Amino acid sequence: DAGVIQSPRHEVTEMGQEVTLRCKPISGHNSLFWYRQTMMRGLELLIYFNNNVPIDDSGMPEDRFSAKMPNASFSTLKIQPSEPRDSAVYFCASSPGQGDYQPQHFGDGTRLSIL
Amino acid sequence: QKEVEQNSGPLSVPEGAIASLNCTYSDRGSQSFFWYRQYSGKSPELIMFIYSNGDKEDGRFTAQLNKASQYVSLLIRDSQPSDSATYLCAVTKGGNKLVFGAGTILRVKS
Repeated sequence: DAGVIQSPRHEVTEMGQEVTLRCKPISGHNSLFWYRQTMMRGLELLIYFNNNVPIDDSGMPEDRFSAKMPNASFSTLKIQPSEPRDSAVYFCASSPGQGDYQPQHFGDGTRLSIL
Repeated sequence: QKEVEQNSGPLSVPEGAIASLNCTYSDRGSQSFFWYRQYSGKSPELIMFIYSNGDKEDGRFTAQLNKASQYVSLLIRDSQPSDSATYLCAVTKGGNKLVFGAGTILRVKS
């Protein structure tokens, strides 16, 4: 079975440019999560969706970050304009449904470097 | 106080020994507890989850939960060099949300 698919795997771009990260959740999973991982702050939840609806975006660092989920099989995380401090590994994860007892499965991540 | 605390390690154990990884959490309302393994440069991989007080065994792995003490642990029996990784403890907060600890680095020496 296909897992969570993220693209691109690596992204290097200059400060000020727009960055778009993409995610395809596991088929049949209703919840999708975007995380950011850095050495300093560890793994942080940015935003999550249930049934394509954003439920909690309290982890989004600032207005430069936005996320969408236009359908059950696709989500994007956009940074505009990008800054060097946005450099991190961004993970997408999905889970079968809503509630406490739903394990999350992670994609391979996008390693983002902003120069 | 951090919401999920783990000793950063590294925890070094000899091959074949039992590795014991510990995690404490602050939110008494948390219902579900997960252990993820993350190899360097890779994504977190789910290895165990536990919801009820007590022990849950899966192969060489045993998760232990004590909600009264707000403590969850992971035991790895017969540790192998391939178990060397960072182990992340995660705790639910308000339904779907997971809060992760900083992780414990495990090194198994052959």
